[in-house]
Amino acid sequence: EIVLTQSPATLSLSPGERATLSCRASQSINSFLAWYQQKSGQAPRLLIYDSSNRATGIPARFSGSGSGTDFTLTISSLEPEDFAVYYCQQRTHWAKTTFGQGTRLEIK
Amino acid sequence: EVQLLESGGGLVQPGGSLRLSCAASGLSLSNYSMCWVRQSPAKGLEWVSGIIASGGSTYYADSVKGRFTISRDNSHKTLFLQMDSLRADDTAIYYCAKVYVEVSVHYYFYMDVWGKGTTVTVSS
Repeated sequence: EIVLTQSPATLSLSPGERATLSCRASQSINSFLAWYQQKSGQAPRLLIYDSSNRATGIPARFSGSGSGTDFTLTISSLEPEDFAVYYCQQRTHWAKTTFGQGTRLEIK
Repeated sequence: EVQLLESGGGLVQPGGSLRLSCAASGLSLSNYSMCWVRQSPAKGLEWVSGIIASGGSTYYADSVKGRFTISRDNSHKTLFLQMDSLRADDTAIYYCAKVYVEVSVHYYFYMDVWGKGTTVTVSS
């Protein structure tokens, strides 16, 4: 099983600041990585697919990068509604998709 | 607007069974691949099962293989998850979700539309 490790566990920033979240895979996953946002009491929301592609309707302040084992989600300028938990997900092997444990982005 | 609504969760004893349903509106189930994903404090997010739009092939996580069965009723726009031989570690919120499609490309198993979830508790 491919393990995804997200860091940091918690990130404390202020609105307007830039957020950088990391996801590292236990083996190469090419670019088969997605990012989700989850707010308290809600289901996850797909932000980025295949490492760097924004899903339909996602604001341009969200961007993704990386390939192989190291990936980054960047939020260029934090809005109040961006404070949530973020998860990465890989889909390298058919029907063996896994998620990271999450990074909590909190208001400083 | 596409919406998914799960039901059927509840409290069940170890070894028991439950059948979850997911009612879809705003889309034709026969055109989209669908998944069940669960979330618990202990394990986080865990993909459970998927069913492919074309042909209806089904897939399962190793942790539920042989115990859970995914199916769909296209005419009633409903996705199901039959859960048998339930164990304490199956306790979670269960979400149904639609596989992401962009420009007719199906991105198995990224998911862009999720229901609100239904809670399953396995305990004696």
